[in-house]
Amino acid sequence: AQSVSQHNHHVILSEAASLELGCNYSYGGTVNLFWYVQYPGQHLQLLLKYFSGDPLVKGIKGFEAEFIKSKFSFNLRKPSVQWSDTAEYFCAVNAGRGSTLGRLYFGRGTQLTVWP
Amino acid sequence: GAGVSQSPSNKVTEKGKDVELRCDPISGHTALYWYRQSLGQGLEFLIYFQGNSAPDKSGLPSDRFSAERTGGSVSTLTIQRTQQEDSAVYLCASSLAYGDGNQPQHFGDGTRLSIL
Repeated sequence: AQSVSQHNHHVILSEAASLELGCNYSYGGTVNLFWYVQYPGQHLQLLLKYFSGDPLVKGIKGFEAEFIKSKFSFNLRKPSVQWSDTAEYFCAVNAGRGSTLGRLYFGRGTQLTVWP
Repeated sequence: GAGVSQSPSNKVTEKGKDVELRCDPISGHTALYWYRQSLGQGLEFLIYFQGNSAPDKSGLPSDRFSAERTGGSVSTLTIQRTQQEDSAVYLCASSLAYGDGNQPQHFGDGTRLSIL
């Protein structure tokens, strides 16, 4: 079965600091990769996705992520965080084919707190 | 446009009772997913529908859990003889029909279920 690891459980930053959240997955085949964000009191929202092509993908609100196949990683980055980025961030993976095609495997989430 | 709608938003019930949770997906989305989010387990896949059929129900934790979808739209998740460990937020998501699993899933606000 696939699994997703997010190594940072809680990250605390000051505004304007740079952010990198780690995500590693275990699956040897074709994968689709996602980062979702959950702002306080809101539902999960898609931040960005990778299916194929350029391994550096850009999402909403200045976020980007890089897929490194050899490291099974899909780390999320932002050069300068804002207070409004305070939220929980989830990395998710699904298989590009096979019987479990429809399901997303989620990491445990990283709570980001940004101090103004 | 309207997003994924779930009801009720909160449900408190006594151990041993049955509960029904409802999900109304985004119009035109043929794929529908149920997940649950709990403190100890993170986000777990439960079941997935493509149209009215469920190709993958392997995530249902026990035979007390069942789900159906009729008319290719609304889905209900039923938990019979609820136990305290069923307490969690139950999330529904929908997406366009998948090709290679690359259609992003859109999530509802969830139903917070508390078993006394």
